[in-house]
Amino acid sequence: AQSVTQLDSQVPVFEEAPVELRCNYSSSVSVYLFWYVQYPNQGLQLLLKYLSGSTLVESINGFEAEFNKSQTSFHLRKPSVHISDTAEYFCAVRPARGGGADGLTFGKGTHLIIQP
Amino acid sequence: EAQVTQNPRYLITVTGKKLTVTCSQNMNHEYMSWYRQDPGLGLRQIYYSMNVEVTDKGDVPEGYKVSRKEKRNFPLILESPSPNQTSLYFCASSLSHSSGETQYFGPGTRLLVL
Repeated sequence: AQSVTQLDSQVPVFEEAPVELRCNYSSSVSVYLFWYVQYPNQGLQLLLKYLSGSTLVESINGFEAEFNKSQTSFHLRKPSVHISDTAEYFCAVRPARGGGADGLTFGKGTHLIIQP
Repeated sequence: EAQVTQNPRYLITVTGKKLTVTCSQNMNHEYMSWYRQDPGLGLRQIYYSMNVEVTDKGDVPEGYKVSRKEKRNFPLILESPSPNQTSLYFCASSLSHSSGETQYFGPGTRLLVL
């Protein structure tokens, strides 16, 4: 079984400041890692994912995450946040070889609050 | 527009009154699933389907049923709803059941069971 821990339930940050949302996971098998974002009153959207290759992955809107196997982490970062980044962010994992039998395992979410 | 739709978006019902939440996708996706989202718990998978007529239980299937008679539709059925099923429900789909596939989520259905 897998588990995901998002250490911060809320992260307040000023606009244009950098931010890091932390995610640690536990799994006995290799996993794929995902970050999803949920804007107010909307469904979840994929922000970025790590499957293999370079451990640093980037999204189109300036977020990046680095897979650290030794620390079992997949922290999300952005060098300068904008008001429009206010949302709930979910880290998730899925067994790399589980196929459909294993769904996404989500963390509890981190609410990113951008203050002007 | 490629999307996952859910109906209704909001529903208030009473204990024991059967209800169905519909989910439809127009992307010809094979894999579909249902999640519930509860405060402080994140999202948990209820049921999933790898293809037409192929469904299986997720992590929290008690009290729910699903069917997959057509590729595009994956309704969630609560035969006898109880207050502990008050939650925000999301349907999701992906092109295949491969673990690396991106799942696309619907807008959510907020259910209150009195």
